[in-house]
Amino acid sequence: NAGVTQTPKFQVLKTGQSMTLQCAQDMNHEYMSWYRQDPGMGLRLIHYSVGAGITDQGEVPNGYNVSRSTTEDFPLRLLSAAPSQTSVYFCASSYSGGKGPHTEAFFGQGTRLTVV
Amino acid sequence: AQSVTQPDIHITVSEGASLELRCNYSYGATPYLFWYVQSPGQGLQLLLKYFSGDTLVQGIKGFEAEFKRSQSSFNLRKPSVHWSDAAEYFCAVNQGGKLIFGQGTELSVKP
Repeated sequence: NAGVTQTPKFQVLKTGQSMTLQCAQDMNHEYMSWYRQDPGMGLRLIHYSVGAGITDQGEVPNGYNVSRSTTEDFPLRLLSAAPSQTSVYFCASSYSGGKGPHTEAFFGQGTRLTVV
Repeated sequence: AQSVTQPDIHITVSEGASLELRCNYSYGATPYLFWYVQSPGQGLQLLLKYFSGDTLVQGIKGFEAEFKRSQSSFNLRKPSVHWSDAAEYFCAVNQGGKLIFGQGTELSVKP
């Protein structure tokens, strides 16, 4: 019963490096999203997807790319890491079943990223 | 724009005392509201949710929350706090599959 799986759990990058944060879910949820968590700011939406092949920007998309080629996977790419991207990143999934309100989001355990 | 406000950044209560965490939302339509809890170094766990119907909802770990449309509030309560309740608590509103979070309230529990 894996739920939402994020890898890696910890990562240190040098400024300018690129990397991909992986997120996979095994619940056949159509909605997936990425958030970053910074002290005193709660969780802020980076990008989200309403289904395979469809993505859109959230509140803080700059510096990040996403794609959704399958229902299960929703990777987050940092193109050129900056110290301002030091944060904890959470992936989440949810579904509506086409019947109305979305259920609660299920979260991964997070990736703690430090950019030096 | 939709928003969620948690006015209290940090609250300290004594073990066994009652707890109320405040949450106010700004949302035009019927809101779908959630409370999540996050223990240090962990992900977010759902405590309870409100979609419609009874405005008093029960959750896990003895928590409850009351939806008050007139006050645009969804406050979280617990009658008797345990030391293990020390964590950060987030209120959120669902906007078309996206969650809008409040800033969070950190709860400390004194022995």
